[in-house]
Amino acid sequence: DGGITQSPKYLFRKEGQNVTLSCEQNLNHDAMYWYRQDPGQGLRLIYYSQIVNDFQKGDIAEGYSVSREKKESFPLTVTSAQKNPTAFYLCASSISGAGVLNEQFFGPGTRLTVL
Amino acid sequence: ILNVEQSPQSLHVQEGDSTNFTCSFPSSNFYALHWYRWETAKSPEALFVMTLNGDEKKKGRISATLNTKEGYSYLYIKGSQPEDSATYLCAFKAAGNKLTFGGGTRVLVKP
Repeated sequence: DGGITQSPKYLFRKEGQNVTLSCEQNLNHDAMYWYRQDPGQGLRLIYYSQIVNDFQKGDIAEGYSVSREKKESFPLTVTSAQKNPTAFYLCASSISGAGVLNEQFFGPGTRLTVL
Repeated sequence: ILNVEQSPQSLHVQEGDSTNFTCSFPSSNFYALHWYRWETAKSPEALFVMTLNGDEKKKGRISATLNTKEGYSYLYIKGSQPEDSATYLCAFKAAGNKLTFGGGTRVLVKP
């Protein structure tokens, strides 16, 4: 089955610790994205990558870092500099970033709680 | 940051009734408007990707219209069923490659 996997589903961390969220896709998509959702709000873009070894900041990149060393993987690190890390994190991918008609495919999400 | 607004935030619909809700987006620099359905405990799934002013898309009982000149899109659900209960997200694509999402409209269909 082709799709996007995120692990773990729930993650708990102590304040001040860095934590890395996993995102893997086997859709052979070039573009990948990380979004954050807070209660009552829409999805906000953290980082995106259009191709391997390249990524750009989204609207709320502060306190986060990413890497794109492989086409199928786009891990997100939530650093201790992120002031409000508790949120629901969604990973997505699309065939390419540039296509006008390219819909995004989403993973199941990771709920991060920082205690 | 682009402003994409959805209204209402939530609505309750009686089974069998029809309903509609709105997505407002900037009217300049338009590339595409996406609609996604996000059911509880599932991942968001694409419903429509619309690009042309006046475009209408339909999938089963769900349809959408697009007005790029005035910056709005309507999503319609005809004869709502309990399985239509979900959050419906719209997302605006300007020049560049990222989507800007609205806050969503949460639809609850009551049997």
